[in-house]
Amino acid sequence: QIHLQEPGPGLVKPSETLSLTCDVSNYSISSGSYWGWIRQPPGKGLEWIANIYHSGSTYSNPSLRSRFAISVDTPQNQFSLRLSSLTAADTAVYYCVRAFSYNSRGDFFDYWGQGTLVTVSS
Amino acid sequence: DIQLTQSPSFLSASAGDSVTITCRASQGVSSYLAWYQQKPGKAPKLLIYAASTLQSGVPSRFSGSGSGTEFTLTISTLQPEDFATYYCQQFYSYPLTFGGGTKVEI
Repeated sequence: QIHLQEPGPGLVKPSETLSLTCDVSNYSISSGSYWGWIRQPPGKGLEWIANIYHSGSTYSNPSLRSRFAISVDTPQNQFSLRLSSLTAADTAVYYCVRAFSYNSRGDFFDYWGQGTLVTVSS
Repeated sequence: DIQLTQSPSFLSASAGDSVTITCRASQGVSSYLAWYQQKPGKAPKLLIYAASTLQSGVPSRFSGSGSGTEFTLTISTLQPEDFATYYCQQFYSYPLTFGGGTKVEI
């Protein structure tokens, strides 16, 4: 059973930068699959942020691409999300996920971390 | 971007009922649609992918159908543990998008 673990909750000030790292266990990232991040503002719906393959190939949401960057560290078996120029609107639970590529088309998400709350506030 | 509209947004039901949730796409997504269940304070859980394929371990009372722009998730014989919020997601094209959610409550 693949297990994904995000860090504990974080509090950051507006305009600051935060990095989130997801540790993957019971599966080697370099074996394949895409890995990604999804966020959910409190009381609201889900928003896909970006996916990355172990080779470094990425897909990302154009609405967030300029401020959010995804990366992968295969030796450490983890992947990360760097969030910059944060505002209160970025306050959300951030989930790391395994993205299953179906028919070489898009991806759905079959494994999820427990989520980590990022709060942006002065 | 492909917009997904779920209806209803809220659904009141009782244990033992059969319920149906609809997800409409702003353009055709073939069968590249998934459904998730989310309980309060928990991560979403994959129920169905490719419109009608049940994820391993998901009870058979959950079923999905549809293609193109209209899809349904049906829960037959609602169980107490099924009261949750349900989301659809298209994986036909990037950016990947989700519906706004349907909360199934007592």
